[in-house]
Amino acid sequence: GENVEQHPSTLSVQEGDSAVIKCTYSDSASNYFPWYKQELGKRPQLIIDIRSNVGEKKDQRIAVTLNKTAKHFSLHITETQPEDSAVYFCAASPLQYGNKLVFGAGTILRVKS
Amino acid sequence: DTAVSQTPKYLVTQMGNDKSIKCEQNLGHDTMYWYKQDSKKFLKIMFSYNNKELIINETVPNRFSPKSPDKAHLNLHINSLELGDSAVYFCASSQESGRPGGSGNTIYFGEGSWLTVV
Repeated sequence: GENVEQHPSTLSVQEGDSAVIKCTYSDSASNYFPWYKQELGKRPQLIIDIRSNVGEKKDQRIAVTLNKTAKHFSLHITETQPEDSAVYFCAASPLQYGNKLVFGAGTILRVKS
Repeated sequence: DTAVSQTPKYLVTQMGNDKSIKCEQNLGHDTMYWYKQDSKKFLKIMFSYNNKELIINETVPNRFSPKSPDKAHLNLHINSLELGDSAVYFCASSQESGRPGGSGNTIYFGEGSWLTVV
């Protein structure tokens, strides 16, 4: 089955700097790659997603890139702010399982002011 | 007007007890899920239902039994609770039909139910 690896497990950046979180997946049939943000004690919430027919997608300070050949995708946050501090999860959906999302282990992002 | 709501939010119970967590979504979605998040924050799918039909059933002990009376509700019943069942259980829903070959749609999570088994 699908396996998603996420790095780094923790990331500390200074406010205003950029943060990059990387994920790799194993199933070449996966075609849907969302990113979720989970604040302490809260539910995971979708922040951006990308599908296999798109290489890059941007939404204000957040961007995601996808390299299907290498089977990896990344989350880029620019001009980080303290409120960006949270746990970020990448996920991949294997085609043959419909919407069965397989999540990465998560990255704890700390933005220091 | 919460989209995905689950109750209770907190549950502390003794080993061996049976408990249920209820979930309801008012988004009109036809697929619902149960995810488990352990102490290391790892999110893992347990079950997925599409229009009351079980679609995904991961390797979960038989003590866990989901029930979907209609497509807006997916409850989780747990028998003979064990210490290792302590976790946060998230209900979720999406518009994706859940059929193999689907393209994937946004999954909306509930607030979570914090289960502590003592």
